[in-house]
Amino acid sequence: DAKTTQPTSMDCAEGRAANLPCNHSTISGNEYVYWYRQIHSQGPQYIIHGLKNNETNEMASLIITEDRKSSTLILPHATLRDTAVYYCIVRSRSGNTGKLIFGQGTTLQVKP
Amino acid sequence: GAGVSQSPSNKVTEKGKDVELRCDPISGHTALYWYRQSLGQGLEFLIYFQGNSAPDKSGLPSDRFSAERTGGSVSTLTIQRTQQEDSAVYLCASSSLPPGGNSPLHFGNGTRLTVT
Repeated sequence: DAKTTQPTSMDCAEGRAANLPCNHSTISGNEYVYWYRQIHSQGPQYIIHGLKNNETNEMASLIITEDRKSSTLILPHATLRDTAVYYCIVRSRSGNTGKLIFGQGTTLQVKP
Repeated sequence: GAGVSQSPSNKVTEKGKDVELRCDPISGHTALYWYRQSLGQGLEFLIYFQGNSAPDKSGLPSDRFSAERTGGSVSTLTIQRTQQEDSAVYLCASSSLPPGGNSPLHFGNGTRLTVT
């Protein structure tokens, strides 16, 4: 699976949009971009995933560049409860296990 | 609906003892995964089940670690002769068929294992 690069940490003011970038320059056409987050002492929580098109759900929006080499996760109105480690993961569509390979992620600190 | 359930939530054991960790996946999910997260570290893949078979055991760190799944549902991760370096949070996840890229993994909250 393609490797991803994320900033180690970011801050965001409460109520503002949090924009978390991810580079996946070696992604292939056969791979999805997945986002998870892990709040302290909990298991990872699925947020959103996409292949080519931008995606939106009740939690977040995912913007994927046209060349698919990078993406941005957007939390439109960050709250203190969004403080967590955010993982960007590239996952094969045709892998025979479907396992996710986690990197170090971005620690997002939402501040009052 | 019910999510992935893991038990116990916390386990303290003495070095050299065996431990069993249990995972109840989401009903109907045929794919099941075990991960490990040591203190301050990332998530490390251990083993993958499809039904009762384990086609990918590549992440098991030693032969002291084993896992089984019965009835295509509950899974047990067993660690024999525990060592202090086995101390970690053990996480279980499940996913629906097919296990391709479009089926998210859903995680439980893990079992925190402490080996004294």
